[in-house]
Amino acid sequence: EAGVTQFPSHSVIEKGQTVTLRCDPISGHDNLYWYRRVMGKEIKFLLHFVKESKQDESGMPNNRFLAERTGGTYSTLKVQPAELEDSGVYFCASSRMLLRDRQFFGPGTRLTVL
Amino acid sequence: AQSVTQPDIHITVSEGASLELRCNYSYGATPYLFWYVQSPGQGLQLLLKYFSGDTLVQGIKGFEAEFKRSQSSFNLRKPSVHWSDAAEYFCAVNPLFGNEKLTFGTGTRLTIIP
Repeated sequence: EAGVTQFPSHSVIEKGQTVTLRCDPISGHDNLYWYRRVMGKEIKFLLHFVKESKQDESGMPNNRFLAERTGGTYSTLKVQPAELEDSGVYFCASSRMLLRDRQFFGPGTRLTVL
Repeated sequence: AQSVTQPDIHITVSEGASLELRCNYSYGATPYLFWYVQSPGQGLQLLLKYFSGDTLVQGIKGFEAEFKRSQSSFNLRKPSVHWSDAAEYFCAVNPLFGNEKLTFGTGTRLTIIP
């Protein structure tokens, strides 16, 4: 069984540019989560999809961040325009529909905004 | 406010020595508790979890954790570490009621010396 995959593994962009991160969850996992770790700090929740619907987006920092999950499969997280403080590692996780089921994490995308 | 504390940012132990990583949480009620490990270039891997029942939980790779309600702690232990255990370890919690997002501690980086 393939794990959660994320693309790209690393992205370096300049302030003001746009970046799109992609996450492919494990097949059959209806729950998809995005988390972010800013350098030296804790991993923080961004949002949660159930299939294609946003269940909880309370962690999204501002309206420069847009997450989508068309068709309930893969998800994208777009940052537009990127700011310096957006630098960090963005993790995606997925889980089955069962409540409190374990979340499987991808390797993360390291975003560097210069 | 609800929080997770990992007081040790970095720990160094000798190969073969015992290990204990500390985790304390602050929640109104006992949440679900998790330990994850991230090796370089890898995603977060679940080591073990506690939902209820026996307060000593066995996990993968020879790790165990003990839940102590009186101390609001969920410390991770291993009797004898191996060089391959060098990684970053994260304690996480999920409330019993409410949404399913994980709240993480800041992580503990473990270095193993020969």
